[in-house]
Amino acid sequence: GNSVTQMEGPVTLSEEAFLTINCTYTATGYPSLFWYVQYPGEGLQLLLKATKADDKGSNKGFEATYRKETTSFHLEKGSVQVSDSAVYFCALPAYSGNTPLVFGKGTRLSVIA
Amino acid sequence: KAGVTQTPRYLIKTRGQQVTLSCSPISGHRSVSWYQQTPGQGLQFLFEYFSETQRNKGNFPGRFSGRQFSNSRSEMNVSTLELGDSALYLCASSSGTSGAKNIQYFGAGTRLSVL
Repeated sequence: GNSVTQMEGPVTLSEEAFLTINCTYTATGYPSLFWYVQYPGEGLQLLLKATKADDKGSNKGFEATYRKETTSFHLEKGSVQVSDSAVYFCALPAYSGNTPLVFGKGTRLSVIA
Repeated sequence: KAGVTQTPRYLIKTRGQQVTLSCSPISGHRSVSWYQQTPGQGLQFLFEYFSETQRNKGNFPGRFSGRQFSNSRSEMNVSTLELGDSALYLCASSSGTSGAKNIQYFGAGTRLSVL
């Protein structure tokens, strides 16, 4: 099946700093790619997605571009806020279709004022 | 539109007991998937139900089982609980159809502690 490797943290940044969380994948074909975010004490929320090569997913100032040449889907944000402190997961379908998902180990981000 | 609802939010059980967790998917969604989240193993897929049938299954022992009802609500059951079953159990619902619109939306989870 497909697999994903994600940069592990924790990552600590000052407010307004630039964020990059690396994610690379191994997959058959060109599956959809996802970033989910988990705030303390909560479940996972879909942050953004991209469904085909060169697509850019974006939401709440976060962006990620589907790069088939480098099999990557790195998450970026130009200026992080304290409220962005959370755990971020890169994910893709384990097989063809969109379920189930296989997840990276998660990257814990802490943003300090 | 209401999101995915999981009950209860917290459970404390002792070894050897059994437990049932419930998940109500987003209205109109026919697929429900269950995941186990632990600090050591991360997020691991348990099983997926679609239209009351198990469609996919992860690599978990038979103590873990599930079912789905005609209204798409799902339950998972863990029998003969072990300490290692302590985890956050997440339910995700999706349309279940093929294609890019089949996106999983997660509930807040049920945190199970086995003593």
